[in-house]
Amino acid sequence: QVTLKESGPVLVKPTETLTLTCTVSGFSLSNARMGVSWIRQPPGKALEWLAHIFSNDEKSYSTSLKSRLTISKDTSKSQVVLTMTNMDPVDTATYYCARILEYSYGSNYGMDVWGQGTTVTVSS
Amino acid sequence: DIQMTQSPSSLSASVGDRVTITCQASQDISNYLNWYQQKPGKAPKLLIYDASNLETGVPSRFSGSGSGTDFTFTISSLQPEDIATYYCQQYDNLRLTFGGGTKVEIK
Repeated sequence: QVTLKESGPVLVKPTETLTLTCTVSGFSLSNARMGVSWIRQPPGKALEWLAHIFSNDEKSYSTSLKSRLTISKDTSKSQVVLTMTNMDPVDTATYYCARILEYSYGSNYGMDVWGQGTTVTVSS
Repeated sequence: DIQMTQSPSSLSASVGDRVTITCQASQDISNYLNWYQQKPGKAPKLLIYDASNLETGVPSRFSGSGSGTDFTFTISSLQPEDIATYYCQQYDNLRLTFGGGTKVEIK
């Protein structure tokens, strides 16, 4: 059974750096044609993709947040870490990690298994 | 980046009704379009990938169609358990974008 679980602080202060960890089980971060994405959802708003990382260590970031994000993985620990610098109250959201899977021979990717999400509040 | 425009943003329908949601891409994305269902307080669930392929275990009353820039998601007979927000999502050039979501309620 494939599962993902997010962990990290519930509350961060403005200007601080957020570090979130996604621990996966049921698949390996070295498996080809799959990886892990981070997606967030502010209260009452739509989903927003943040970043993803694949088994070959290929990474990609949201254009609007690229300067603030870093994604990395530790295959031996089955963990993917996302850091977001200079946090602001508008970054208050539920943060999800999800397995990203290849479809259409690499022309399409979707998230087939999601973690339960972790809620992060940015406030002084 | 490719923008995804979903409509309507919300709808209300009766049990048994046919429900249709549309998603328009800002440029041609072939059939590289996925649909998700998100129930209140829960994580999203992948329903359809590659515009029209049903994920394993998803009821056949859900379907998707389209290619290029215009896509449609349909619930053939709305059930009470289908109350949720539905999102489209595209992948292009290593980046993903979601539509703004469509909240489906029971009338």
